[in-house]
Amino acid sequence: DAGVIQSPRHEVTEMGQEVTLRCKPISGHNSLFWYRQTMMRGLELLIYFNNNVPIDDSGMPEDRFSAKMPNASFSTLKIQPSEPRDSAVYFCASVLRTDTQYFGPGTRLTVL
Amino acid sequence: AQTVTQSQPEMSVQEAETVTLSCTYDTSESDYYLFWYKQPPSRQMILVIRQEAYKQQNATENRFSVNFQKAAKSFSLKISDSQLGDAAMYFCAYKRGNQFYFGTGTSLTVIP
Repeated sequence: DAGVIQSPRHEVTEMGQEVTLRCKPISGHNSLFWYRQTMMRGLELLIYFNNNVPIDDSGMPEDRFSAKMPNASFSTLKIQPSEPRDSAVYFCASVLRTDTQYFGPGTRLTVL
Repeated sequence: AQTVTQSQPEMSVQEAETVTLSCTYDTSESDYYLFWYKQPPSRQMILVIRQEAYKQQNATENRFSVNFQKAAKSFSLKISDSQLGDAAMYFCAYKRGNQFYFGTGTSLTVIP
């Protein structure tokens, strides 16, 4: 199994630009989570999906952030417009039913 | 209120020695899962060990074992025969329903 796949691994963009992060969960897993990790705030849950349906998006910082899961094998996290304070490592993780969470390698986002 | 507390921001251990990382959590549930994740400098979040609350026996994975004290809501991680590759950030996590709650992490240094 390839594990959770995230792309890109690194993204550098300028303030105001749109950023799209991508995630492919482990095949068969039915829940998907997006996290953001910074030194100041640690690991923060942004949103999670269960069977492709967003269940809890209370962690999404503001309207500039949006996430979709059009099918069981793909999810996106979009930031539009991006700001320097969005710089962080963004993780995607997937879960099979109610079991263990498996993380992707993360996307390091730098907004200049 | 913090659900998962890791009171040791930093720990160090001599190579080949044993170290214990502390974790406490807050819950009124009786059925839940607990996890320890390792995050090396590569940033990848790696599952180290997990424990189901209904199991009294402490989980063990090779050199890693836990001391699960359900009444005390304590879930410490013991690393035996520490190796240089164990140097990383360690996160304790608690799972309730579909939600995962992470501690703030303990940075472990292994001294050669």
